[in-house]
Amino acid sequence: GQQVMQIPQYQHVQEGEDFTTYCNSSTTLSNIQWYKQRPGGHPVFLIQLVKSGEVKKQKRLTFQFGEAKKNSSLHITATQTTDVGTYFCAGPEDDYKLSFGAGTTVTVRA
Amino acid sequence: NAGVTQTPKFQVLKTGQSMTLQCAQDMNHEYMSWYRQDPGMGLRLIHYSVGAGITDQGEVPNGYNVSRSTTEDFPLRLLSAAPSQTSVYFCASSYTRGWTEAFFGQGTRLTVV
Repeated sequence: GQQVMQIPQYQHVQEGEDFTTYCNSSTTLSNIQWYKQRPGGHPVFLIQLVKSGEVKKQKRLTFQFGEAKKNSSLHITATQTTDVGTYFCAGPEDDYKLSFGAGTTVTVRA
Repeated sequence: NAGVTQTPKFQVLKTGQSMTLQCAQDMNHEYMSWYRQDPGMGLRLIHYSVGAGITDQGEVPNGYNVSRSTTEDFPLRLLSAAPSQTSVYFCASSYTRGWTEAFFGQGTRLTVV
């Protein structure tokens, strides 16, 4: 079956720095989605990318979908303490199931 | 709209006990799924449903049963709890094929002793 892999598993960032987390799928995806889970919370949808090479921005967050639609990245600039949490990418496995990566857990040093 | 509601939020079971985790959504979503979350493992799919009366197994279905008698409800049953089932369980729903934007419940933190 489809596998979605994320790296790194952990990201420790100094407040104000930038970082990137990466997502790779073993198969071509129809779309890729990103979710954020705050500590003790539940995953919350951030964005969906559909087109090859698509780039979308949400304030300090930039999401990219690879040309082959098998990889994606999330780049956060000027990290803030509000960015703490686990970021998951997810891709549909056929029309009926959504597969998640293991997530990147972000901690921020003030 | 309440969205996706899960009950209970916390539960402690003894090995061998059975219980049902409840999930209800009021968004008229056809697609619903159960995931378990364990440290370093991400969200693993247990069972999913594409409509009332239709369910199927996900990645880690052993020890769990589901049914979908209505569009709104998708309960998850643990048949005979084992310590390996200690986890956080999330129910999710979506309104489209391909799971365009999943909505998650608050989660149930289950401990099996």
